[in-house]
Amino acid sequence: AQSVSQHNHHVILSEAASLELGCNYSYGGTVNLFWYVQYPGQHLQLLLKYFSGDPLVKGIKGFEAEFIKSKFSFNLRKPSVQWSDTAEYFCAVTLYGSGNTGKLIFGQGTTLQVKP
Amino acid sequence: NAGVTQTPKFQVLKTGQSMTLQCAQDMNHNSMYWYRQDPGMGLRLIYYSASEGTTDKGEVPNGYNVSRLNKREFSLRLESAAPSQTSVYFCATWGGRAYNEQFFGPGTRLTVL
Repeated sequence: AQSVSQHNHHVILSEAASLELGCNYSYGGTVNLFWYVQYPGQHLQLLLKYFSGDPLVKGIKGFEAEFIKSKFSFNLRKPSVQWSDTAEYFCAVTLYGSGNTGKLIFGQGTTLQVKP
Repeated sequence: NAGVTQTPKFQVLKTGQSMTLQCAQDMNHNSMYWYRQDPGMGLRLIYYSASEGTTDKGEVPNGYNVSRLNKREFSLRLESAAPSQTSVYFCATWGGRAYNEQFFGPGTRLTVL
């Protein structure tokens, strides 16, 4: 079965530290990749997405992600985190094949806590 | 535009009670989804509706039913609530490959005692 795995469940960083959150998926076909963020008490918002083309994708709030097809990975990065980045981050994949209906497969989520 | 709205925002039920979670969208999207979010498990798909008049099971459909009332509305029903259904429920919509992202509602936090 297709799956998405996020390696870090809980990350604690100090402000200005660099961030990298790992995401791997298991599917050999064409995929679209997403990172969503959920701030405390709020609903999910899209950070960035990859469809095709340049594997380095830039999103909102200074986040970026790199798609490495050979490693089935889509890691999220930010050079310098802020306290306001404290949130839960979800990696997600849609699979393209017959009957695809845009269903998202989510990773388990990573809780990021940024200390001021 | 309100986007995706969900009612209620919070609900407490006793075991065995029933309730319906409502979701409505004004984005004119064909596809709608119901997810549940549990700690350490991410979001899991309960049911989805690819278009008006169709519904299909997702990863965790047991104990739930859905109705795609029209293009705008997609409801989730718990016929006999169980403590294992304590969760946060999110509705989402998808506008097709041209948009290729799902838009989420604010969620319903459900507690079953």
